[in-house]
Amino acid sequence: GESVGLHLPTLSVQEGDNSIINCAYSNSASDYFIWYKQESGKGPQFIIDIRSNMDKRQGQRVTVLLNKTVKHLSLQIAATQPGDSAVYFCAEMGKLRAAGNKLTFGGGTRVLVKP
Amino acid sequence: GAVVSQHPSRVICKSGTSVKIECRSLDFQATTMFWYRQFPKKSLMLMATSNEGSKATYEQGVEKDKFLINHASLTLSTLTVTSAHPEDSSFYICSARDRINTGELFFGEGSRLTVL
Repeated sequence: GESVGLHLPTLSVQEGDNSIINCAYSNSASDYFIWYKQESGKGPQFIIDIRSNMDKRQGQRVTVLLNKTVKHLSLQIAATQPGDSAVYFCAEMGKLRAAGNKLTFGGGTRVLVKP
Repeated sequence: GAVVSQHPSRVICKSGTSVKIECRSLDFQATTMFWYRQFPKKSLMLMATSNEGSKATYEQGVEKDKFLINHASLTLSTLTVTSAHPEDSSFYICSARDRINTGELFFGEGSRLTVL
């Protein structure tokens, strides 16, 4: 079936450096993509989203890039901080407002920030 | 922002007992809620879609008689793990879709079930 996956299971980054987390998806019909952060023992926390009619979206210290040609999604975190240490998941779904739409998660990347 | 509350956050039970987990949308109405299961160091796996006033839709491989889902109101969905066994030990997470606004999904903090 369709899937969403990640290239790197673990990413170690020096505090202050930028982090890039990658995600590949296979469903060309996916319309909406979300990045979540999950800390140990907690539920996913929304970071940023992007729709398929966009190729870039910026938030506070985060940027999501979408390349529909190669079905690739990335999350960039600027000036990574110790509080950014967590597992990051990409997720995708079809039309945002469509009834019954399901959110499918990728495999996750653990980010470890070194002081 | 919107808040989804899960209760209990942690539960330990004996094998053979049933455990109920509640998922509440605190400040919005949710016609649709989703239940996920997460094993250690793994991603979230969708178990079922809970629709207010109708039967839940289960994903392939998920036993509906094992994981009973009830969505009796626009703010509450419950997941009951029946006759729990140690292999049911997991982190269960719900999410709720805001029916009024953007259809955005909000996640609960999860419920960790340990079956002895």
